[in-house]
Amino acid sequence: DGGITQSPKYLFRKEGQNVTLSCEQNLNHDAMYWYRQDPGQGLRLIYYSQIVNDFQKGDIAEGYSVSREKKESFPLTVTSAQKNPTAFYLCASSKLQGLMNTEAFFGQGTRLTVV
Amino acid sequence: AQSVTQLGSHVSVSEGALVLLRCNYSSSVPPYLFWYVQYPNQGLQLLLKYTTGATLVKGINGFEAEFKKSETSFHLTKPSAHMSDAAEYFCALLSGGYNKLIFGAGTRLAVHP
Repeated sequence: DGGITQSPKYLFRKEGQNVTLSCEQNLNHDAMYWYRQDPGQGLRLIYYSQIVNDFQKGDIAEGYSVSREKKESFPLTVTSAQKNPTAFYLCASSKLQGLMNTEAFFGQGTRLTVV
Repeated sequence: AQSVTQLGSHVSVSEGALVLLRCNYSSSVPPYLFWYVQYPNQGLQLLLKYTTGATLVKGINGFEAEFKKSETSFHLTKPSAHMSDAAEYFCALLSGGYNKLIFGAGTRLAVHP
């Protein structure tokens, strides 16, 4: 079945450590996204990528980094510079039609907790 | 600037009652609009979308939404609530020239017997 796979589902990190969240899709989608979800704040965009080897900062990119070396993969690294990393992280992908993206499909999320 | 406002962070209805979740948007160009549903500790699932054409769109699980340009609204409705509809619902906008989704803050729907 085609879809988006995020791993791990739960992740614990000590303060001062970097941690990488995995996102893989086999939908042959062009664009991929990372969102952060906090209670009562909806989803906020961290980074997005329209094509391989290119990505753009979203609204809350500070303290995060990404790479897009393959079309299928868009890992997110939460660095020690992110002051409040405890949150639910969602990866999504969408297909380009002309200049527009179609609707986004989401993974099941990774819940990151700093201990 | 594009934005999405969902009126009411919590909505509670009785089983069998009408569900109405409100969404207003701001966009300088014709928007694409979406409703997503999220169950606890899961990702988002697309309920329905409006791109062009018919302004009343039907989605999964008996939900529908109507695009009203004059009111800049895209409210989500379901004639009869079911217990399984209890979840969080997000309205989102994708505007021409922007290749990213902008989400509202979400509305948590509770359904009681």
